[in-house]
Amino acid sequence: DIQMTQSPSSVSASVGDRVTITCRASQGISIWLAWYQQKPGKAPKLLIYTASSLQTGVPSRFSGSGSGTDFTLTISSLQPEDFATYYCLQTNSYPLTFGPGTKVDIK
Amino acid sequence: EVQLVESGGGLVQPGGSLRLSCAASGFTISSYWMTWVRQAPGKGLEWVANIKPDASEKYSVDSVKGRFTISRDNAKNSVDLQMNSLRAEDTAVYFCARVVTSSRGFDPWGQGTLVTVSS
Repeated sequence: DIQMTQSPSSVSASVGDRVTITCRASQGISIWLAWYQQKPGKAPKLLIYTASSLQTGVPSRFSGSGSGTDFTLTISSLQPEDFATYYCLQTNSYPLTFGPGTKVDIK
Repeated sequence: EVQLVESGGGLVQPGGSLRLSCAASGFTISSYWMTWVRQAPGKGLEWVANIKPDASEKYSVDSVKGRFTISRDNAKNSVDLQMNSLRAEDTAVYFCARVVTSSRGFDPWGQGTLVTVSS
């Protein structure tokens, strides 16, 4: 099975900060990685697919990069509505696996 | 509007069964893989199962193999998750989602339905 790790597990940041979250796969997954945002009590929302493609309707301050085993999600200028938990998901092979999540909260 | 709505959650005793349903509207599921994902209280997301558009392929996480079965009724535009031999560790909110064909991203998601396994 492919194990996904994320760092940091949590980050405290201020509005306007640049935030970078890293996701690492235990083996190569090409570009089959997506990023999701989840707010408390809500369903996850797709932000980025195939590692770097921005989902329709998602603000351009979100960006993704990487391939193989190392990936990043960057929020260029954190907005109040961005405080949430972020998960990566690999869809290269079964079983599909999520990272443990990164909580972004207010500093 | 493209939408998914889950139903069927509730309280069940250990060893019991429950059937979850996911009703789609605004699109036809017959063209898409569909998926179930769960989230235990206060925990992260866990992929549970996927099903191909024609149901000829199904995949699931090891922890539910032999106990959970994913199925679909394209005519009714719905996907089900039959859960048998339920355990306390199956307690979670269960989400269904559409798998976007070209990207393998999960979008949209339903609002989720809570399954509680307890005596």
